[in-house]
Amino acid sequence: QITLKESGPTLVKPTQTLTLTCSFSGFSLSTSAVGVGWIRQPPGKALECLALIYWDDDKRYSPSLKSRLTITKDTSKNQVVLTMTNMDPVDTATYYCAHRLMDDYGDSEAFDHWGQGTLVTVSS
Amino acid sequence: QSALTQPASVSGSPGQSITISCTGTSSDVGGYNFVSWYQQHPGKAPKLMIYEVTNRPSGVSNRFSGSKSGNTASLTISGLQAEDEADYYCNSYSSKSTLGIFGGGTKLTVL
Repeated sequence: QITLKESGPTLVKPTQTLTLTCSFSGFSLSTSAVGVGWIRQPPGKALECLALIYWDDDKRYSPSLKSRLTITKDTSKNQVVLTMTNMDPVDTATYYCAHRLMDDYGDSEAFDHWGQGTLVTVSS
Repeated sequence: QSALTQPASVSGSPGQSITISCTGTSSDVGGYNFVSWYQQHPGKAPKLMIYEVTNRPSGVSNRFSGSKSGNTASLTISGLQAEDEADYYCNSYSSKSTLGIFGGGTKLTVL
């Protein structure tokens, strides 16, 4: 059974750096054809993909946020960490981590298991 | 990167069928068979309903189906049930992003 859970601060100040941790079970990021991504959702607004990391350490970032994002993995701890620098009130959102669905042909470009999400508020 | 275009809201009565559209460009929806659909109930995480345009994950009801024509993908829900009332988001791989882009979301109301 695949489960994911996000953890991190619920409140950060403008200009600070946000660090979020995704702890997961039921799969390993040291296994071929596995990926974990981060997606956020501002209150009342749409979903937005932020970053994605694969078992082979390949990484993808949102073009508009690439300069502010870093995604890393710790396979020994079954964790994926996302850092976002220079936080702004517009970054207030629920942040989700999710497991990438891989099929017989490779990356399906979809997320099949999601964490419960963590609400991060940016305010002074 | 512009979001994919979805209607803000759709509605239907129990037992009816509804279709939600998702319009993009040849750089995303029209160029790749990597369209997925998510259902999100208030306060809950999204749930994958359709991937690769037409595929249903295990456990998803066959009342949900997906299709694509040109730059527009569609999600059809047949035999509407009260529990289908939720927000629905489409997502597509994009050559301009390589990370995928979401639509703005559609609120489904079951009358």
